[in-house]
Amino acid sequence: GQSLEQPSEVTAVEGAIVQINCTYQTSGFYGLSWYQQHDGGAPTFLSYNGLDGLEETGRFSSFLSRSDSYGYLLLQELQMKDSASYFCAVPAAGGGNKLTFGTGTQLKVEL
Amino acid sequence: DADVTQTPRNRITKTGKRIMLECSQTKGHDRMYWYRQDPGLGLRLIYYSFDVKDINKGEISDGYSVSRQAQAKFSLSLESAIPNQTALYFCATSDRGQGPAGYTFGSGTRLTVV
Repeated sequence: GQSLEQPSEVTAVEGAIVQINCTYQTSGFYGLSWYQQHDGGAPTFLSYNGLDGLEETGRFSSFLSRSDSYGYLLLQELQMKDSASYFCAVPAAGGGNKLTFGTGTQLKVEL
Repeated sequence: DADVTQTPRNRITKTGKRIMLECSQTKGHDRMYWYRQDPGLGLRLIYYSFDVKDINKGEISDGYSVSRQAQAKFSLSLESAIPNQTALYFCATSDRGQGPAGYTFGSGTRLTVV
């Protein structure tokens, strides 16, 4: 089967940098993606890593190490609006762009 | 209008009742999905469909059924609702060629079974 582990909660101050880790176990690997979800809202796509290394999109970056089955999402210059839940996800077995999600990390940004 | 529209947004129903959650999309995507979200458990796949004639069970399909009435419409039914089906339900679509970046979620249906 597939499983992904994330910390349940992370707290940081406005303007700081925070890293949200994700470790995964999959039978095959086709990339790691990240989604943001504000309280009760629709998840929205943030980033995808198909290969090892860092992908940067504005204040957000995502990193992947396939040899370590590990990735992280890095949020810089934190803003209050970044308070949300963040999910890592991998394609589920069988293709078709089905996703298996981690349990999510709730990020709280404080003043 | 939203790309992926779910109705209703909120619903309270009684144990044993049949209920249908509806999803329609204007993205033109072939692939549609129903996910369930429970606190602390992330999103779990209930059913998915690659086109009108292709419907598949996901990780947690027991107690649910679906109907793909058209490319743009994918409905989820609870034949006899039970309290542990209380959850936030999301419909999503994806484009064949875009991978995870092509995922679009609806705004969700919050279902409470009493």
